[in-house]
Formats: sequence, C-alpha cells, structure tokens
Amino acid sequence: ETGVTQSPTHLIKTRGQQVTLRCSSQSGHNTVSWYQQALGQGPQFIFQYYREEENGRGNFPPRFSGLQFPNYSSELNVNALELDDSALYLCASSLRTRPQETQYFGPGTRLLVL
Amino acid sequence: ELKVEQNPLFLSMQEGKNYTIYCNYSTTSDRLYWYRQDPGKSLESLFVLLSNGAVKQEGRLMASLDTKARLSTLHITAAVHDLSATYFCAVDQLGLSGGGADGLTFGKGTHLIIQP
Repeated sequence: ETGVTQSPTHLIKTRGQQVTLRCSSQSGHNTVSWYQQALGQGPQFIFQYYREEENGRGNFPPRFSGLQFPNYSSELNVNALELDDSALYLCASSLRTRPQETQYFGPGTRLLVL
Repeated sequence: ELKVEQNPLFLSMQEGKNYTIYCNYSTTSDRLYWYRQDPGKSLESLFVLLSNGAVKQEGRLMASLDTKARLSTLHITAAVHDLSATYFCAVDQLGLSGGGADGLTFGKGTHLIIQP
C-alpha cells in the first residue's frame, strides 16, 4: 500500500507568478483535501475533491483552484502569487465511504514566494 | 464558524512526568482527530475519536472525547524525549463548508518539549 505523495518538495516563485502542486492519493482512497500551513500555525482547509469535483471549500479566494483526475490524483493551482502564500501545502487523502477513518497526509510542498 | 482551541500552546516538561493537552471546539461535532508533527515534517495520525466517551490509547498517549463539553484531551504518561513534537487536534467541519466536505479545522497546536 503506497502512501500519499506530493511533488515538488520545495518551490521558489516570485510574486504574481502561478504555481501547480501535485498529489497522489493513498492506494484505495477516492477523496483528496488540500491544506495550507503557515509557519507556526495549524493547517487550514483549502478545498476537497471527490469524484473529480470540488466538494467543499474553506475561506480561500478563487485564485486557489484544483483538479482531481480519474486515478484520484490531484493538483492545486495558485494564480497571482502573493507573499502571504508562502507556506507548507499539504495534501490529504481519505476514503469517503469510511468516515471513521482519518485523513492521511502527504509530506507537503514548501512554497516560498519572493 | 467552527473554532478549535488548544492549550497550552507551549509545554516544556521533564521525562517521566505526566501531562494533559486540552482541545476545545465551538460547534457540534462527533469526529475529532489528533495528529503529531515533527519539525519540517508532515502530519502523522495518532487517534480518531468518533463518539462521546471514546477513549483510545497507544503507548504513552491516551486521548478522550466528551462531545457534550466539546472537549478532547491528550494525556501523556511518563513522558520520554521521543514524544517531543507539535500535537494538533482537529475537528471535522462536515457540512459547514457548504458542500458536505470533510474538511478539518485544526487548533494552533501544542509545541511539546520533553527534557531528559
């Protein structure tokens, strides 16, 4: 059973640029959630994808968007990067039909916006 | 808006001592999670608590849930240095995001240092 993987591990961008982060869910999981974790803070829910559609969203602007593919992998896209977007971006996978299970987190992508 | 508060936010303790981390949340939820995060690393799942009165134990850690008081505790028994980490509690905000998504709302974390 493979765990959640994310790429890239680190990324440096400049303000105004666009970025795409990738996530492969744990084998057998059909739901992917994305979180932003600023330094010293708890993760904040960005959105969740299930069956290739956005299934819920936290308090993030539309320049944060995503995709889920038929193999349940997912992308997080951020347009018009701002300095405050610098954070650790975490992807978590779960199995929607088993709510008693937790969300399993990937290693994260650390994004620095200059 | 769902709020999750942990206390203390910072805890320094000696090996062999016992201590408890508290997690309060503001709205009804019957799913609470505890995660551990080591510096520069991702989140490791510790416990999932699904019902009032639930208690789970793993090694020196024990978690409990009181849904009526909207309170969960993480108790550390006879602490050892390897337990030094940041501990997060998180509550399921099922339905509150408007789409039925299982997004989690996290506390700010408790930074735990255990000294020899």
